[in-house]
Amino acid sequence: LAKTTQPISMDSYEGQEVNITCSHNNIATNDYITWYQQFPSQGPRFIIQGYKTKVTNEVASLFIPADRKSSTLSLPRVSLSDTAVYYCLVGAYMDSNYQLIWGAGTKLIIKP
Amino acid sequence: DTGVSQDPRHKITKRGQNVTFRCDPISEHNRLYWYRQTLGQGPEFLTYFQNEAQLEKSRLLSDRFSAERPKGSFSTLEIQRTEQGDSAMYLCASSSRDRGRSPNNYNEQFFGPGTRLTVL
Repeated sequence: LAKTTQPISMDSYEGQEVNITCSHNNIATNDYITWYQQFPSQGPRFIIQGYKTKVTNEVASLFIPADRKSSTLSLPRVSLSDTAVYYCLVGAYMDSNYQLIWGAGTKLIIKP
Repeated sequence: DTGVSQDPRHKITKRGQNVTFRCDPISEHNRLYWYRQTLGQGPEFLTYFQNEAQLEKSRLLSDRFSAERPKGSFSTLEIQRTEQGDSAMYLCASSSRDRGRSPNNYNEQFFGPGTRLTVL
């Protein structure tokens, strides 16, 4: 069964770096790894996407090892407004049927 | 506002009734996705379209669910003979086309606000 696994929750403090890891053993060969952020009562919002090694944008970095069976989202210097649920998303095949697989999400709570 | 819109935002229905939801994607986007999300869970992929073609459909999607995108613009998701287990947030997203068939290849999905369905 293709699935992704993330920690259920994490706590951190303002100004700290937060790393959230997702495992995705069955990722499709040509598929990317995408991370989204979701606030209550809103749809998810794109954060970052990558295929391998490291990707960085203005809000986050994404680290992907060579085997691509996991990925780590890194949020530098978090603030209170980063309190949200973070999801990893990959594509995988289940019995030759392509599926978009979302993790259950990591609830990140940032404290003052 | 040129983002993804969904209608209605909330729907309450009785078990056994049919419901239909509408999604209007960002106009230049030719990919459209439907998801279902229950409280405390990640979105569950239902189906996606590229233009008017429905390219993938989750095996988890029962025959009571059907989606259309007749002109490659807006899409509808219909649930027939609703059950209490269908209660959830139904999310729509759109994205621009990227290389390849995979719907997760380097294209950001823009989500609508969702339609919350409650089946009594």
